[in-house]
Amino acid sequence: QQQVKQSPQSLIVQKGGISIINCAYENTAFDYFPWYQQFPGKGPALLIAIRPDVSEKKEGRFTISFNKSAKQFSLHIMDSQPGDSATYFCAALGHFGNEKLTFGTGTRLTIIP
Amino acid sequence: NAGVMQNPRHLVRRRGQEARLRCSPMKGHSHVYWYRQLPEEGLKFMVYLQKENIIDESGMPKERFSAEFPKEGPSILRIQQVVRGDSAAYFCASSLREASTGEQYFGPGTRLTVT
Repeated sequence: QQQVKQSPQSLIVQKGGISIINCAYENTAFDYFPWYQQFPGKGPALLIAIRPDVSEKKEGRFTISFNKSAKQFSLHIMDSQPGDSATYFCAALGHFGNEKLTFGTGTRLTIIP
Repeated sequence: NAGVMQNPRHLVRRRGQEARLRCSPMKGHSHVYWYRQLPEEGLKFMVYLQKENIIDESGMPKERFSAEFPKEGPSILRIQQVVRGDSAAYFCASSLREASTGEQYFGPGTRLTVT
């Protein structure tokens, strides 16, 4: 069964705008939440990650917002650029003893001029 | 510092043949993970290995699939008697420590096509 739900499936944002991708999880044992960026024909690249002891983490134009009580987290891309056009995956990982990443289904982001 | 390396990048096999996918983790990494990505889908965990040990193979199909990570050399994902449904991108990831404390870094993947 799917344990990480991601939306939207696809997203079109104008250059300079804010891109927002949402994820929700079910398993309360998850305690590490990375986001991956994947370009066509390439492997996923770790973008940014957060642990549930903080509600927000920012790295450059990328921000993760985390709501532990709602079991939701989101990726915000500020000042979106055409080079950000890619597929983004959220993921979740459990505590020691459960090292496999559970991925969302992905969001195909397109930034238009 | 080279990243995770996978080869071949593309592999074509006829139904019934064997496929061998190789993964060399990042230097110093002793934890290897294999994931499968079907077209237009997210990645699905297959197996987690440390040197000479399979730690978690809960995502591996019960038949035809096997994985190893020997003391020397790359990790190998082996698929025997391939079927069309095995066509997918197979990604390997590695981490320095257990993934719960360290990030997983992915290779470029092997795209398997079964004809």
